[in-house]
Amino acid sequence: EDQVTQSPEALRLQEGESSSLNCSYTVSGLRGLFWYRQDPGKGPEFLFTLYSAGEEKEKERLKATLTKKESFLHITAPKPEDSATYLCAASGGSNYKLTFGKGTLLTVNP
Amino acid sequence: EAGVTQSPTHLIKTRGQQATLRCSPISGHTSVYWYQQALGLGLQFLLWYDEGEERNRGNFPPRFSGRQFPNYSSELNVNALELEDSALYLCASSLGTAQDTQYFGPGTRLTVL
Repeated sequence: EDQVTQSPEALRLQEGESSSLNCSYTVSGLRGLFWYRQDPGKGPEFLFTLYSAGEEKEKERLKATLTKKESFLHITAPKPEDSATYLCAASGGSNYKLTFGKGTLLTVNP
Repeated sequence: EAGVTQSPTHLIKTRGQQATLRCSPISGHTSVYWYQQALGLGLQFLLWYDEGEERNRGNFPPRFSGRQFPNYSSELNVNALELEDSALYLCASSLGTAQDTQYFGPGTRLTVL
């Protein structure tokens, strides 16, 4: 059974304090690894798709990387508006459903 | 370009009633996915429709059902509502099997009293 585990569950940073979020996955025949951002009461907002180990993608202060067992979301010099829950998800084999982790709640204090 | 839309935004029902939730995918997308996000449980996969057919379903009882219409919009029906069905129901769409990335709508908040 596909599994995705995110850590930490919650992370509190000061504005400008860089850090990383971790996503460990066990998926047979990884098709893609996905990162989303979710604000309270809203639908997840797509951030990145990663397909193979060694791949990296960047968007503003965010950078996602992928290994054969993990993905990291690096946040450089975060701002209060980066506060949200960050979700990691994976799909594998011929199954197009996404298996989600429980998310990391990021709070950035000014 | 318009994103995924869902209606209604909020829905309040009583136990035993039926609920119908609707989703319109991004233009050109043929696959629609439904997820349940209950408090503390994370997003759980419910159903996947592609080209009008049900392709896969998650570990939910048969009272969760749906369909996809010829214009690719979709409907999720939940029969015999239980208190535990209270959750945010999210719809996502993708370019079918040609693309893996799913784009989500704003969700329907279902409350069962």
